Amino acid sequence: NAGVTQTPKFQVLKTGQSMTLQCAQDMNHEYMSWYRQDPGMGLRLIHYSVGAGITDQGEVPNGYNVSRSTTEDFPLRLLSAAPSQTSVYFCASRSGTGVTGNTIYFGEGSWLTVV
Amino acid sequence: DAKTTQPPSMDCAEGRAANLPCNHSTISGNEYVYWYRQIHSQGPQYIIHGLKNNETNEMASLIITEDRKSSTLILPHATLRDTAVYYCIVRVGGSQGNLIFGKGTKLSVKP
Repeated sequence: NAGVTQTPKFQVLKTGQSMTLQCAQDMNHEYMSWYRQDPGMGLRLIHYSVGAGITDQGEVPNGYNVSRSTTEDFPLRLLSAAPSQTSVYFCASRSGTGVTGNTIYFGEGSWLTVV
Repeated sequence: DAKTTQPPSMDCAEGRAANLPCNHSTISGNEYVYWYRQIHSQGPQYIIHGLKNNETNEMASLIITEDRKSSTLILPHATLRDTAVYYCIVRVGGSQGNLIFGKGTKLSVKP
């Protein structure tokens, strides 16, 4: 059971470049989200989706774009990378229903450096 | 979601029980207590959750006070691999909103 899979694990970008962080889950979860975590800080929500075709902004959405064409995939796009976007990015999913809907499964993280 | 308060850091000797406290004095009747942990450089990991009764699984035990205003996560025999940041989150079961991770407690298990 793969769970939540993120790619790439490491990436270096130049300022102004664009790229997509991939996220896939095989648990048929409705709810998926992207967080970023800066050194010594907690997780901050970027964007989330409650189901295919539905996305919404989180706490820090600027500079990022998402889409949810299938239940399994939730890619995060950096439109024009900036050094302030250097961070670790985590994708997460949960079933979204019932008490266990708050059991979140996280990917292993993607380390992004923008120079 | 009710606010939680956790100590910023704790130490524990390897092999001993680690007891991590969490205060949630404004918890309401339909809110559950969830615990997650984040080992360095990894994504957060679900540990356990509970409503009123004490809960135990293969990872930990959760003790919730009778008035539900505080709880304690117990790692019965801490190992070096349990060194992590532990997050206590209070939330309505099945809520559709987003989980908010605070700063948690940094547990250091020492040999």
